[in-house]
Amino acid sequence: QKEVEQNSGPLSVPEGAIASLNCTYSDRGSQSFFWYRQYSGKSPELIMFIYSNGDKEDGRFTAQLNKASQYVSLLIRDSQPSDSATYLCAVSSTDKLIFGTGTRLQVFP
Amino acid sequence: SAVISQKPSRDICQRGTSLTIQCQVDSQVTMMFWYRQQPGQSLTLIATANQGSEATYESGFVIDKFPISRPNLTFSTLTVSNMSPEDSSIYLCSAGEATEAFFGQGTRLTVV
Repeated sequence: QKEVEQNSGPLSVPEGAIASLNCTYSDRGSQSFFWYRQYSGKSPELIMFIYSNGDKEDGRFTAQLNKASQYVSLLIRDSQPSDSATYLCAVSSTDKLIFGTGTRLQVFP
Repeated sequence: SAVISQKPSRDICQRGTSLTIQCQVDSQVTMMFWYRQQPGQSLTLIATANQGSEATYESGFVIDKFPISRPNLTFSTLTVSNMSPEDSSIYLCSAGEATEAFFGQGTRLTVV
């Protein structure tokens, strides 16, 4: 069974620090990788996607992909209390997305 | 990105009844997806709905319980049939191309 693994957290970081969220996946054929942010009681919101090995930066967010290690991560620089949410990693598998269980991030002032 | 409107946003239903959830996308998309998210858990794919063909259901989900319609490239419905309290969950519609999925606001269903 194809799986996506995330540490459930919570991951607690102080305001202004870098938050590092990690995800591993089992399907070596996966080509596309996504990070979603989900606030409590809201639907998931796409914040980053990455297709190629290496880093991809968008504002305070950096996605990192290592297909050989089957590992994808999300770095959030200058973390803010408003970043407190659950972050879902999703991996493509034959035209559908497989979601991890999510990591709950808490940014404290 | 696609804008997805889903309704109802929430409902409380009696067991044994059915509820149909509607999902409208502001642009034409090939693939639409229906997910379930139970409290504190991640998203579980129920089925993939493609226009002009039968929906493809994931293991553990069957058409009799979750019939899906996809009459055109911008609209889909999911029906939760013969509901029981175990069906209480958030149901999410998503749409996109190449699996870059965007989500509607979800339907919070409570079965009593």
